[in-house]
Amino acid sequence: AQSVAQPEDQVNVAEGNPLTVKCTYSVSGNPYLFWYVQYPNRGLQFLLKYITGDNLVKGSYGFEAEFNKSQTSFHLKKPSALVSDSALYFCAVTRNQAGTALIFGKGTTLSVSS
Amino acid sequence: GAVVSQHPSRVICKSGTSVKIECRSLDFQATTMFWYRQFPKKSLMLMATSNEGSKATYEQGVEKDKFLINHASLTLSTLTVTSAHPEDSSFYICSAPRPQGGGTEAFFGQGTRLTVV
Repeated sequence: AQSVAQPEDQVNVAEGNPLTVKCTYSVSGNPYLFWYVQYPNRGLQFLLKYITGDNLVKGSYGFEAEFNKSQTSFHLKKPSALVSDSALYFCAVTRNQAGTALIFGKGTTLSVSS
Repeated sequence: GAVVSQHPSRVICKSGTSVKIECRSLDFQATTMFWYRQFPKKSLMLMATSNEGSKATYEQGVEKDKFLINHASLTLSTLTVTSAHPEDSSFYICSAPRPQGGGTEAFFGQGTRLTVV
């Protein structure tokens, strides 16, 4: 079964510092991996995805993620954090390659202090 | 860009009553939509897949008689929480994939905060 793990419940960084939110996955076949962000009482906003190709994926709001097949990881990164990046971040994988139902990690709360 | 609209954003109902939540794709057709439930500080759990013109597919452990799903048109799916109880209080979110299918990102509604009192 497909699954993703986000080992950190919370990540705290100071504004201007680089941030990393970790995600590892377990899939059969080639993974379709996603990062979404959720602000309080809101739906999810798409940040980026990896389907195939370049291992470094660039997404919205200056975020990027690196697909590492050997480590089965897909960590979310940003070179310089903003206070406005504070939110709940979800890593997700499609349940199967043909479908688009998503299996989510438990989420990581990012807190950026000024 | 494509947008998914969910209504209402917040609802409070009494125990024993039913609540209907609507999910609309605004500028594209969605033959499939998904309904998720999010518990406080927890991940989103897929409840069911809504299929236009046919029965919904429910995930294991989700009561189909409790959570009625209807996908009557290519742009509308509804989730009805029947005979609601306080334990049904949660944040419900719908999503619809881009029409191109697998491997594409899904669009999410704004979510509905259901409180059963």
